[in-house]
Amino acid sequence: NAGVTQTPKFQVLKTGQSMTLQCAQDMNHNSMYWYRQDPGMGLRLIYYSASEGTTDKGEVPNGYNVSRLNKREFSLRLESAAPSQTSVYFCASRVELTVMNTEAFFGQGTRLTVV
Amino acid sequence: GDSVTQMEGPVTLSEEAFLTINCTYTATGYPSLFWYVQYPGEGLQLLLKATKADDKGSNKGFEATYRKETTSFHLEKGSVQVSDSAVYFCALSSTSGTYKYIFGTGTRLKVLA
Repeated sequence: NAGVTQTPKFQVLKTGQSMTLQCAQDMNHNSMYWYRQDPGMGLRLIYYSASEGTTDKGEVPNGYNVSRLNKREFSLRLESAAPSQTSVYFCASRVELTVMNTEAFFGQGTRLTVV
Repeated sequence: GDSVTQMEGPVTLSEEAFLTINCTYTATGYPSLFWYVQYPGEGLQLLLKATKADDKGSNKGFEATYRKETTSFHLEKGSVQVSDSAVYFCALSSTSGTYKYIFGTGTRLKVLA
């Protein structure tokens, strides 16, 4: 049971470089999320996608872009990385955005360091 | 807006001690409430949930009761083990228009043998 798969697991970037974090889920879920986790701040929502073809901003979208490539895949792109984007990034999926009593399933995370 | 407040950590306990991690929330409507656990180097996984007032979620000896009158969802375990050492997150599924998941800041638990 793969669940939610994120790649890569670790990445070091230089300031100004770009990269794309990949996420795929095999549970036929409609909604997908990208969070960042920083010490003392919990998880903060960057972007989410209610369904294939739609994306919306979360709390901290600046400096990021996303693409919902198809129902399975939801990628996060950093166009010009900054040290403030050093964080652990988690992708999550959920059956349906509007079904409130369902849980989210998380990937293993990507630890990104920007130097 | 909707929010979740968790007690600050870290919490350090001896094995077999009683655990309480406090969680309170602010929300319009009737959110669903969740506790997630994150073991070192891993993603979050669901520990338990409750979807309406007075519901009790339970799993692996952990329990939490959805208290609408006090807007709380405190996590408890009667006897902790070293293997329970992890970070615990309280979360709510918002009923506001964006239907977001909102997380608390997390509470680190360390259990000593």
